[in-house]
Amino acid sequence: QSVLTQPPSVSGAPGQRVTISCTGSSSNIGAGSDVHWYQQLPGTAPKLLIHGNSNRPSGVPDRFSGSKSATSASLAIAGLQAEDEADYYCQSYDSSLGGVVFGGGTKLTVL
Amino acid sequence: QVQLQESGPGLVKPSQTLSLTCTVSGASISGGGYYWSWVRQHPGKGLEWIGYIYYSGITYYNPSLRGRVSISVDTSKNQFSLNVSFVTAADTALYYCARTSLRGAAVSDYWGHGTRVTVSS
Repeated sequence: QSVLTQPPSVSGAPGQRVTISCTGSSSNIGAGSDVHWYQQLPGTAPKLLIHGNSNRPSGVPDRFSGSKSATSASLAIAGLQAEDEADYYCQSYDSSLGGVVFGGGTKLTVL
Repeated sequence: QVQLQESGPGLVKPSQTLSLTCTVSGASISGGGYYWSWVRQHPGKGLEWIGYIYYSGITYYNPSLRGRVSISVDTSKNQFSLNVSFVTAADTALYYCARTSLRGAAVSDYWGHGTRVTVSS
């Protein structure tokens, strides 16, 4: 049971827009902790996709965007491409646990 | 370009201690500003934070693993290490090391490729 809750899977056709939610609580996202998103392509290490709720590292396409509100956050992927098929994880900091917490991950399938 | 590389045995016997090392290049652990983290991923599962260390030796651990886990740092070799004691099959996982920012809810910007550890007799 992950501290941050994500849907197990989402899917979309090429060119479509999908969103992945990440729900936390008053001890993490709701406490003001930033949310970060990672993309994990099959057989590879996680790669930072969004940091500080909505900031893209250099090299990440602007098709990827993040937002945060109250006790949840979202990752949106516009103009879906086959290469976007991967697992996506949200991450934050939990003050009650005193450490890093991850969502359970969402598998994105491009139809 | 910051690079991290995990190393260690791929097979550990139950009840023994799992020991992994992460070698950092392109950045100095003693430069400060970052924690140095261990994260693991059980087969087919999500990411689990194990803990992190600052260059000074200050450590923070996942409460669910506290007591069996220790992280240490060797700034002279620009390495940090993970020990997990009394391992069981539940410790079989892919282990990653990562660089984690002190600020902004501990974002990890660079990751190693991961090393697979199997606990089996």
